[in-house]
Amino acid sequence: AQTVTQSQPEMSVQEAETVTLSCTYDTSESDYYLFWYKQPPSRQMILVIRQEAYKQQNATENRFSVNFQKAAKSFSLKISDSQLGDAAMYFCAYRRPSGAGSYQLTFGKGTKLSVIP
Amino acid sequence: AAGVIQSPRHLIKEKRETATLKCYPIPRHDTVYWYQQGPGQDPQFLISFYEKMQSDKGSIPDRFSAQQFSDYHSELNMSSLELGDSALYFCASSLRALDTQYFGPGTRLTVL
Repeated sequence: AQTVTQSQPEMSVQEAETVTLSCTYDTSESDYYLFWYKQPPSRQMILVIRQEAYKQQNATENRFSVNFQKAAKSFSLKISDSQLGDAAMYFCAYRRPSGAGSYQLTFGKGTKLSVIP
Repeated sequence: AAGVIQSPRHLIKEKRETATLKCYPIPRHDTVYWYQQGPGQDPQFLISFYEKMQSDKGSIPDRFSAQQFSDYHSELNMSSLELGDSALYFCASSLRALDTQYFGPGTRLTVL
């Protein structure tokens, strides 16, 4: 079974600074999908970014980018120019490849990010 | 853009009662997933449906059942509620099972 580990339960960042959230995963599959979801105090789960394992290029969405290291099974999220609205719980998630028959998301335990004004 | 709709948003029930949660996926999405998130926990997969057929099953108690209807909306039925069922229940939808899952706002169930 796949497992997702987020080793930083809490982190903080100064407004306008950059922060990196870590995520590692364990899988024997070669093709899969990785996601970062944000859960603000409203508890809504919001998709931040998605990475396909077969793509070598790291995904980027505005101020959010990932560092995907497939061999190391590492998938970190970098938030640049942090804003107060970035304060939230961030979940890393794994999804099996196409054809696996099971497409549920497996989540890490989450990292709570605080943004200091 | 239209999002996933869940109703009700909040629900309070007594032990041993029954609850029904509803999910309306994003238009044209044919796949629905249900997740349960306990306090301070990460979401746990319960069950999913693709084209009105159950496609996958996770850690869903036998007291729970679900289905997807012809209009693609889904309902999660929970019977003999226990205190431990108190949680936030998310529905997510995707266009085909392979696509990115988009979450609804969740239903907060409190069992007293």
